[in-house]
Amino acid sequence: QSVLTQPPSASGTPGQRVTISCSGGSSNIGSHTVNWYQQLPGTAPKLLIYSNNQRPSGVPDRFSGSKSGTSASLAISGLQSEDEADYYCAAWDDSLNGRGVFGGGTKLTVL
Amino acid sequence: QVQLVESGGGAVQPGRSLRLSCVASGFMFSSHGMHWVRQAPGKGLEWVATISYKGTNKYHADSVKGRFTISRDSPKNTLFLQMNSLRPEDTAVYYCAKDLGDGGYDLHLDYWGQGIPVTVSS
Repeated sequence: QSVLTQPPSASGTPGQRVTISCSGGSSNIGSHTVNWYQQLPGTAPKLLIYSNNQRPSGVPDRFSGSKSGTSASLAISGLQSEDEADYYCAAWDDSLNGRGVFGGGTKLTVL
Repeated sequence: QVQLVESGGGAVQPGRSLRLSCVASGFMFSSHGMHWVRQAPGKGLEWVATISYKGTNKYHADSVKGRFTISRDSPKNTLFLQMNSLRPEDTAVYYCAKDLGDGGYDLHLDYWGQGIPVTVSS
């Protein structure tokens, strides 16, 4: 059971907007910034969003992040077939003397 | 360009040890926090350990605490993960990752290695 809770799956059709939620607690999302990672099949994860809503260079502005309280969301607009991947949220957690925590991951299917 | 190349993985019997290495290039290694993250077959990502830029602060997941140790050799641009008393549940692909910052406490993993498989089985 992951410390951060994500829906196991999400789907949308090309051009649609989809959102993926990430729920945590006061010791992680409530106290630290949230990051989002995209993992395409058979590849290493890639940083998609950091510090709640910042995009690294090269990440399209179709991807956006937000945070409120102890929850966060990743939004993908103008969905494309190449967005089909696993998405993970992550944050630092102050419990147990400090640790990193990931969500269980959300498999996005483009119909 | 930033490169992270892991080595040292493989198949090992339960109770034995392995040391993973990650050689970094293309950035100032001594200025960044570093991490190990693993992924068991068909499962999600699991944070394993974090080390700050000077190596002063180290953090390990409860699942590996007392068995695994993260360390770094900055003059050699190399990150290590010493894994002792290996268990079948440690079977995973292990990724080395660079942090955007110096501490690593924000989990901003902006570059990842290709991953190295570790299989623990009798």
